[in-house]
Amino acid sequence: DAKTTQPPSMDCAEGRAANLPCNHSTISGNEYVYWYRQIHSQGPQYIIHGLKNNETNEMASLIITEDRKSSTLILPHATLRDTAVYYCIVRVYTGVWGAGTKLIIKP
Amino acid sequence: ETGVTQTPRHLVMGMTNKKSLKCEQHLGHNAMYWYKQSAKKPLELMFVYSLEERVENNSVPSRFSPECPNSSHLFLHLHTLQPEDSALYLCASSPQTGDGYTFGSGTRLTVV
Repeated sequence: DAKTTQPPSMDCAEGRAANLPCNHSTISGNEYVYWYRQIHSQGPQYIIHGLKNNETNEMASLIITEDRKSSTLILPHATLRDTAVYYCIVRVYTGVWGAGTKLIIKP
Repeated sequence: ETGVTQTPRHLVMGMTNKKSLKCEQHLGHNAMYWYKQSAKKPLELMFVYSLEERVENNSVPSRFSPECPNSSHLFLHLHTLQPEDSALYLCASSPQTGDGYTFGSGTRLTVV
């Protein structure tokens, strides 16, 4: 299984863009990068996913490097409600989720 | 609601009790999953079902017994649990195994 590496925690000021990095250097050619977030003790919420191209939806943007070994999730205008643990996952059907990045949005 | 409904939301049970967790999805998904999340620990995959057949059992103790009667429903039967089994139990579904998940809100289980 491809594994991911994320910083354990990050802070971001409210209203600013939050950029969350993820390394996935062992990703296979057909594996997607998925991002989820988990707000305290709730089920994880799907944010976005991508294979090669950059993706954008109403929640976030996903930037994937050309070699696909890393990606960045961008929350363009972070709000206090974006405070959560953010998980970067490759090969979703896996038991290995990792600890994610705890993102704290500060007023 | 996310489309995946879990009941009950909270459960307190004694070590000698038998209880069941229920998960229901009407998203038309063919794969369903049970995850366990202990306090301050990452999610651990427990079981995977695809088209009502169990395709993965991640070395889960036999005191946890899953059941998938149809593609919309998934149960986790619990008996003679230990206090260390106290955790958030999450159900998820996806169109096929390997696709992105939709998670339920979870059942917070406390074993006393």
